[in-house]
Amino acid sequence: AQSVAQPEDQVNVAEGNPLTVKCTYSVSGNPYLFWYVQYPNRGLQFLLKYITGDNLVKGSYGFEAEFNKSQTSFHLKKPSALVSDSALYFCAVRDIYGGSQGNLIFGKGTKLSVKP
Amino acid sequence: DSGVTQTPKHLITATGQRVTLRCSPRSGDLSVYWYQQSLDQGLQFLIHYYNGEERAKGNILERFSAQQFPDLHSELNLSSLELGDSALYFCASSVGTGEAANEKLFFGSGTQLSVL
Repeated sequence: AQSVAQPEDQVNVAEGNPLTVKCTYSVSGNPYLFWYVQYPNRGLQFLLKYITGDNLVKGSYGFEAEFNKSQTSFHLKKPSALVSDSALYFCAVRDIYGGSQGNLIFGKGTKLSVKP
Repeated sequence: DSGVTQTPKHLITATGQRVTLRCSPRSGDLSVYWYQQSLDQGLQFLIHYYNGEERAKGNILERFSAQQFPDLHSELNLSSLELGDSALYFCASSVGTGEAANEKLFFGSGTQLSVL
């Protein structure tokens, strides 16, 4: 079965510092990986995806993610955090090989808190 | 604004009751997905419809049902409600069947259900 794990419930960062939100995956074939962000009282918004190609994927709002096949990881990064980046971040994998016909399977989410 | 509309935004009801949540997908999107978000379970996939047909089922209880109408809007029906059904229910839409690796999901703002 396809799955993703986000080992940290919360990440605290000072504004201006680099941030990393971790995600590891388990899939039986090629992984199709996504990051979504959820701001308070809002739905999830797409940040970026990895399908194939370059291991460093660039997305919205200055975020990027690094795909590492040997470590089965897809960590989300940003060189300089903003207070407005504070939100809930979800890693997801597309369930191509499972029984749900392409549905996204989400991790439990990581709360990012950026302090001034 | 994702273009996905969910109504109502908030719903308060009593145990044993039945409610209907409504979702209008983005213009042109044929797929509708329903997710349940709770503190303990995270984001759980419930069900997926494509162009009026049920495509995949996830962790959906027998007390819950859904349908997608010819105009492509979808309704999620929750019956015999229990305290544990209190959660944020999201609808998402996508243009295709979901099997394309790079297909993005667009989420509505959710319906917050409180069962008292």
